[in-house]
Amino acid sequence: GIQVEQSPPDLILQEGANSTLRCNFSDSVNNLQWFHQNPWGQLINLFYIPSGTKQNGRLSATTVATERYSLLYISSSQTTDSGVYFCHGGTSYGKLTFGQGTILTVHP
Amino acid sequence: NAGVTQTPKFQVLKTGQSMTLQCAQDMNHNSMYWYRQDPGMGLRLIYYSASEGTTDKGEVPNGYNVSRLNKREFSLRLESAAPSQTSVYFCASSEFQGRIFQYFGPGTRLTVT
Repeated sequence: GIQVEQSPPDLILQEGANSTLRCNFSDSVNNLQWFHQNPWGQLINLFYIPSGTKQNGRLSATTVATERYSLLYISSSQTTDSGVYFCHGGTSYGKLTFGQGTILTVHP
Repeated sequence: NAGVTQTPKFQVLKTGQSMTLQCAQDMNHNSMYWYRQDPGMGLRLIYYSASEGTTDKGEVPNGYNVSRLNKREFSLRLESAAPSQTSVYFCASSEFQGRIFQYFGPGTRLTVT
């Protein structure tokens, strides 16, 4: 199946800083989502973004499908942004793979 | 609109016991999924049901069975629980084919002693 590599594995920020998370895929995908898992374990949809760029408040995401990567940008980070960020992608129902996640800690 | 619901939220089993995890969605989605999440890891697909009446194995199906009871409900059964099945289990659903946008339930934390 598709391999998904996320970087960095860990990220520590001061409140107000910006960050970029990256997700690389070993093959082409036509479905791609970014999730935030909060400290209570809940998985929250951030973006569905198999290609192009989307923005939602302080978060934005860009997927370059031809180069098999996606980026998640967090601007002006807040302590509530802490948690684990996952990308998840693939081509069909049984061939969707999660990355290992980026653990983000934002200090006040 | 509750989205995806899972029961129970927590469960402790002894080795060899059986149990069924329940999942229901009220978004009229065709497809449903079961994942497990182990510490420090992403989620891994156990089974999925692309549509009512069909089920297929995912990446880690051994030790589990599933039933797509109707369009709303998708259950996961552990016939003889093992300590290696200690994990957090997530159910998800997604809408129509061609755009697999998944919504996740809150998870069930299972401990097998």
